[in-house]
Amino acid sequence: EVQLVESGGGLVQPGGSLRLSCAASGFSFSNFWMSWVRQAPGKGLEWVANIQQGGGEKYYVDSVKGRFTITRDNAKNSLYLEMDGLKAEDTAVYYCARVTIGTDYFDCWGQGTLVTVSS
Amino acid sequence: DIQMTQSPSSVSASVGDRVTITCRATENIRSWLAWYQQKPGKVPKLLIYAASSLQSGVPSRFSGSGSGTEFTLSISGLQPEDSASYYCQQAKGFPITFGQGTRLEIK
Repeated sequence: EVQLVESGGGLVQPGGSLRLSCAASGFSFSNFWMSWVRQAPGKGLEWVANIQQGGGEKYYVDSVKGRFTITRDNAKNSLYLEMDGLKAEDTAVYYCARVTIGTDYFDCWGQGTLVTVSS
Repeated sequence: DIQMTQSPSSVSASVGDRVTITCRATENIRSWLAWYQQKPGKVPKLLIYAASSLQSGVPSRFSGSGSGTEFTLSISGLQPEDSASYYCQQAKGFPITFGQGTRLEIK
């Protein structure tokens, strides 16, 4: 069974940092692009970042460029999102998602981890 | 950036009805479009990809159509469990963008 399990969310002050992790199982992690998608409370879905299978190619939404870094460790079947310079508008549930091969659709999602940026 | 606009923002329908949700893109995305269902408190689920292909395990009462800039998600024979928010997403290029969502209420 394909599983994605996020961790690392919590309460952080504005300007602070947080590292999210996503543990993957049930599929060949190294064969798939991976993604982070977020959802602010009561709001819609917002794509955050994608990373290529080998980690060499990455894409970000403009609002997080220069502050967030997506990485992966294929040996550990894990995806990460390093978040620096956090702002109140970054408050959201962050989902780890698998990208369908050859496309940019999200065919499997984790349960999400809540990040709250507040003083 | 490609903007995705869904209509209506919310819709109410009865069990057995047919509902259609529209998604419009600000530029030609060919068939690079997906639809997701998100039930309250749950994780989004891929329903339709490539505008009209049904994801494995999704009931056949869900269907998608369209290409270019206008797309539709149709749900026929509505069931109580179809109560959810529905989102379109373009996959033509980065940044990937979603529609604002359509909330479907079953009367």
